[in-house]
Amino acid sequence: ILNVEQSPQSLHVQEGDSTNFTCSFPSSNFYALHWYRWETAKSPEALFVMTLNGDEKKKGRISATLNTKEGYSYLYIKGSQPEDSATYLCAFKNSNYKLTFGKGTLLTVNP
Amino acid sequence: GAGVSQSPSNKVTEKGKDVELRCDPISGHTALYWYRQSLGQGLEFLIYFQGNSAPDKSGLPSDRFSAERTGGSVSTLTIQRTQQEDSAVYLCASSFLGPSYEQYFGPGTRLTVT
Repeated sequence: ILNVEQSPQSLHVQEGDSTNFTCSFPSSNFYALHWYRWETAKSPEALFVMTLNGDEKKKGRISATLNTKEGYSYLYIKGSQPEDSATYLCAFKNSNYKLTFGKGTLLTVNP
Repeated sequence: GAGVSQSPSNKVTEKGKDVELRCDPISGHTALYWYRQSLGQGLEFLIYFQGNSAPDKSGLPSDRFSAERTGGSVSTLTIQRTQQEDSAVYLCASSFLGPSYEQYFGPGTRLTVT
């Protein structure tokens, strides 16, 4: 059974704060690491797909890093806004298709 | 183009009844996946389709669950003799095949078994 752990489970920050979450995953049979944002009543939205050790990806105020040798990825949000409030999911891929998801980090940004 | 769509968006059913959940993937996506999220749990893989065949059904929780895909497009997840523990959000996703491709998710079907 693959174990994908995310921490913290939930997080409350003030508007303007920067924050980060962690995803840990098995370091063997690595194909890719995906990050998704899931807002209530919407579809999960893909943020990043990372495949190479040392990958860094950025989209606006959100960025992510990947360490496949030690099995972790960080997601950073700079200058959090209320619209960033969502559950952030990471998912580990150890084949061409199958994603194993963590339970997510629920972020609440207070105005 | 259109994204992944699912129907119904909400379904309330009595214990013991059968339900069918439908997924319309993005046109051209070879791969289709079903997941579910039960209360307090992460997204759980159920089944994967490549074209019309299902090489991996390992996540289906019991033989009451089945799924099919026709024409390399629409998929139906069927739950027979529903139980209360089947209550969850059922999500469908589609993608091109390969490790670096994103999976695009539909809005889900919230199933409540009373």
